[in-house]
Amino acid sequence: GAVVSQHPSRVICKSGTSVKIECRSLDFQATTMFWYRQFPKQSLMLMATSNEGSKATYEQGVEKDKFLINHASLTLSTLTVTSAHPEDSSFYICSAREAGRLLSTDTQYFGPGTRLTVL
Amino acid sequence: ILNVEQSPQSLHVQEGDSTNFTCSFPSSNFYALHWYRWETAKSPEALFVMTLNGDEKKKGRISATLNTKEGYSYLYIKGSQPEDSATYLCAFKNSSYKLIFGSGTRLLVRP
Repeated sequence: GAVVSQHPSRVICKSGTSVKIECRSLDFQATTMFWYRQFPKQSLMLMATSNEGSKATYEQGVEKDKFLINHASLTLSTLTVTSAHPEDSSFYICSAREAGRLLSTDTQYFGPGTRLTVL
Repeated sequence: ILNVEQSPQSLHVQEGDSTNFTCSFPSSNFYALHWYRWETAKSPEALFVMTLNGDEKKKGRISATLNTKEGYSYLYIKGSQPEDSATYLCAFKNSSYKLIFGSGTRLLVRP
């Protein structure tokens, strides 16, 4: 149980284009999903928290107009990197929190991540 | 700035060796400490969620301890096997309910 899928696993795009990454909880409902980014040799850094049916909450320093998040259903959140630039090249990974769990002790279940390369 | 430190950064051991690594985190406003195991090209797998000072958790040959007063947790692997090779992440949770990750310990177990 508690499987999260992420698609695509790898994407290469040209500078200036937009890229959409999907995160799905396959066997549970997720009222909250999280988007992280990891640069080489660094830790996973939270970008934004996505709540089903409401606007995402972005961490300091993350541009909400550049990283568009949509969480339209209890099993799907999408991250769109708009007008991508080479500095957006990174590893993006999502996680999902199961609905109804205690916030203080619940587990986040992770997808396998997406490697984005912007040329 | 909240800092979660993991050491060592990487570790090479022989099959059958026991090993341990450390996660240190802020000792104030503590809610939970999470350990994940992350194999290359797979999703991070949740190992433990620890909340109480003195907690000890075990899953097969892997166990973890927690000291919230001094802000550290140890992860132990007994009799390491090649399939234990992975990056082990810890993450600290405070009243924000967000996970703050360390940069991980990369373990390689040689057959």
